[in-house]
Amino acid sequence: EVQLVESGGGLVQPGGSLRLSCAASGFTFRGYAMSWVRQAPGKGLEWVSAISTSGGSTSYADSVKGRFTISRDNSKNTLYLQMNSLRAEDTAVYYCAQVGGSYDLRDWGQGTLVTVSS
Amino acid sequence: SYELTQPPSVSVSPGQTASITCSGDKLGDKYACWYQLRPGQSPVLVIYQDSKRPSGIPERFSGSNSGNTATLTISGTQAMDEADYYCQAWDSTYNYVFGTGTKVTVL
Repeated sequence: EVQLVESGGGLVQPGGSLRLSCAASGFTFRGYAMSWVRQAPGKGLEWVSAISTSGGSTSYADSVKGRFTISRDNSKNTLYLQMNSLRAEDTAVYYCAQVGGSYDLRDWGQGTLVTVSS
Repeated sequence: SYELTQPPSVSVSPGQTASITCSGDKLGDKYACWYQLRPGQSPVLVIYQDSKRPSGIPERFSGSNSGNTATLTISGTQAMDEADYYCQAWDSTYNYVFGTGTKVTVL
């Protein structure tokens, strides 16, 4: 059974930083691209970032480009999202997800809440 | 930017059929997928590659995609299907694009 467990969320002041982690199990982690998606309170789903199987290719939504960095450690079966220069509008539940063969998001974690507020 | 537009809400009686549309420029040239999002839970993929159901998803969920519109159909809708539904497609320029979301209410 695929399991994705996010951690690292919390309350941070505007301009601050957080690093989210996503621990994967139940599948061959290094064989799948991975992604981060967020949902702000009362809003819809928003794609944030994605990373290839090796980590050699990454992509970002315009809203986070230059501030967020996605990475992975295949030896630890873990996905990361380094978030810098955080803004109030980054407040959301952040989900990690396994990318399927047709760029769908097959399995999702339970999410971790990031709150940016002074 | 590439946009996917869904109706904000759809109402359906138990046992009836609910159809949710997702409109985007030449969407039929891409693969569309659909997610169910219940309050307080993580999204669940219910349709991928336009019309395929992941393991464990009931047969009452079906999908199609042609022209500029993808459609998710829930046949014999049950109370447990009440949720928000989002379409999603992938574009080489804009990457992963989500629809605006549709709240399905089972009356």
